[in-house]
Amino acid sequence: DGGITQSPKYLFRKEGQNVTLSCEQNLNHDAMYWYRQDPGQGLRLIYYSQIVNDFQKGDIAEGYSVSREKKESFPLTVTSAQKNPTAFYLCASRGTGWSNQPQHFGDGTRLSIL
Amino acid sequence: KQEVTQIPAALSVPEGENLVLNCSFTDSAIYNLQWFRQDPGKGLTSLLLIQSSQREQTSGRLNASLDKSSGRSTLYIAASQPGDSATYLCAGRRGDDKIIFGKGTRLHILP
Repeated sequence: DGGITQSPKYLFRKEGQNVTLSCEQNLNHDAMYWYRQDPGQGLRLIYYSQIVNDFQKGDIAEGYSVSREKKESFPLTVTSAQKNPTAFYLCASRGTGWSNQPQHFGDGTRLSIL
Repeated sequence: KQEVTQIPAALSVPEGENLVLNCSFTDSAIYNLQWFRQDPGKGLTSLLLIQSSQREQTSGRLNASLDKSSGRSTLYIAASQPGDSATYLCAGRRGDDKIIFGKGTRLHILP
């Protein structure tokens, strides 16, 4: 079964701690995305990557970092610089073989502060 | 700056009715528009993708239309069922590969 796997489903962060959210896809998609969803805010783009070893900042990248060392994996680190990290984080991927392919999403990680 | 607006924010209709969800966007230079469904606490499920050169797409009881000139898309749901209750989001893809989302319409189908 092809799809996107996000882990963990729930994550708790202590003050001053960095945490890393995992996103793995077996869809052979080149492009991957991280979004943050807050109640009443819709989805906001944090980072995206169109190809391995390359990524771009989205609209709210401050306090976050990513890496794209493998095509299948796009982990997101929420650093201690992100002062309001409590949110639902969604990872997505998209095939780019021909340009207008749909996005597919994982089931999300809910991050809370202890 | 591309903005995507969905009206209404919430909608309740009796089971069996046909309904229309609206999505408007400010920049007509979008590559495609995608409609998603989101159940509480879950990720997004893709429903329909309309390319910029297309006018509509259909899947079962769902029909999505796109009018780039007016900056509008609609999602039509026929013969609504309680299982259709969810939040519906639309998203437009720009040339820089950024995908901009609306805030969604929360749909409640009354049994």
